Amino acid sequence: AQSVAQPEDQVNVAEGNPLTVKCTYSVSGNPYLFWYVQYPNRGLQFLLKYITGDNLVKGSYGFEAEFNKSQTSFHLKKPSALVSDSALYFCAVSPFASGGSYIPTFGRGTSLIVHP
Amino acid sequence: DVKVTQSSRYLVKRTGEKVFLECVQDMDHENMFWYRQDPGLGLRLIYFSYDVKMKEKGDIPEGYSVSREKKERFSLILESASTNQTSMYLCASIGLAEDTGELFFGEGSRLTVL
Repeated sequence: AQSVAQPEDQVNVAEGNPLTVKCTYSVSGNPYLFWYVQYPNRGLQFLLKYITGDNLVKGSYGFEAEFNKSQTSFHLKKPSALVSDSALYFCAVSPFASGGSYIPTFGRGTSLIVHP
Repeated sequence: DVKVTQSSRYLVKRTGEKVFLECVQDMDHENMFWYRQDPGLGLRLIYFSYDVKMKEKGDIPEGYSVSREKKERFSLILESASTNQTSMYLCASIGLAEDTGELFFGEGSRLTVL
């Protein structure tokens, strides 16, 4: 069975400072890893993904994430936080499945609060 | 752009009522999902469907059923709503041809059961 852990319910950071939102995972075989963002009363929006290749992946709105296979982690990062980055962030994992059948598992979410 | 549309953004129902939540996607996706989102619990999979008239139970199917009569439409049904089904419901889809795996979500339906 696959699982995702987001150890922090909330992350607070000052505007302009770097931010990190943590994610660790457990899955059989090679993982597909994702980050999604949710603004209040909205659906989830895709931010970035790791499939294969370079361990550092870049996504929307200046976010990036680093895949670390030995630590089974996929932390979300941004060099300089904006107040508008304040939202709920979800990490998700699904096993690589040929034929395109994906059943992703989501973490519980981390609320990012960026203070002016 | 892929669009996933959930017909009702906010609903208020009474205990025992039958509730239909509709979801339509416009990109010919084979796979569709219904999730429930509750604070501190993240997203939990209720049901998913990988083809017309096909459905599979997710992690929390009790109290729910689904219908997929057409490829673009996936409906979630609460046969007899209860207060513990008050939640945010999210529909998502993905196509088999997609080799990248990200889901496309609707805006959500916030259901309150009184």
